[in-house]
Amino acid sequence: SQQGEEDPQALSIQEGENATMNCSYKTSINNLQWYRQNSGRGLVHLILIRSNEREKHSGRLRVTLDTSKKSSSLLITASRAADTASYFCATDGNQFYFGTGTSLTVIP
Amino acid sequence: NAGVTQTPKFQVLKTGQSMTLQCAQDMNHEYMSWYRQDPGMGLRLIHYSVGAGITDQGEVPNGYNVSRSTTEDFPLRLLSAAPSQTSVYFCAAGTVNEQFFGPGTRLTVL
Repeated sequence: SQQGEEDPQALSIQEGENATMNCSYKTSINNLQWYRQNSGRGLVHLILIRSNEREKHSGRLRVTLDTSKKSSSLLITASRAADTASYFCATDGNQFYFGTGTSLTVIP
Repeated sequence: NAGVTQTPKFQVLKTGQSMTLQCAQDMNHEYMSWYRQDPGMGLRLIHYSVGAGITDQGEVPNGYNVSRSTTEDFPLRLLSAAPSQTSVYFCAAGTVNEQFFGPGTRLTVL
């Protein structure tokens, strides 16, 4: 069974708005990663947060991690049409597990 | 550097045929893996390798074989293709902190 589960499954917002997507996982982790997938392409690594971190920023991305709830969130601020993609969380280990992803549509 | 390359990009097979999906990386990463992606199912791990000569099963290994004779190459073999194996296949290479994905192979089994 998959380790990470994202919600919502789909999200549609206007350009300039913020987008928040969540990820829940099942077992303890050393780190959690977020990836982005443009339609028909491979996944691209966005950001990693370690289990001893609570929040991390990278440009317009903000990731939080709550290990007590086994959950993480990805916030994209001031969204752009180019942010339209699917976003996946993944947990570490010899076997990377990806969730089903959140499909984000940013309307110009 | 090319990163992770996959060939072919598209393939159509008939039920029962066999084929090998190729994956190569030029980043000298020990960890490589194969995933399949189906609509609504996310990415599911098929097989992975933590180094040359070492492979292990992932979540959905049935119907697939892998080998890792070199650090660079990690081919995925379909022994007897079935319609249920119609999917997009991604190869990845990297570390426990980050994986780099290939562009994918879109496979259709008729």
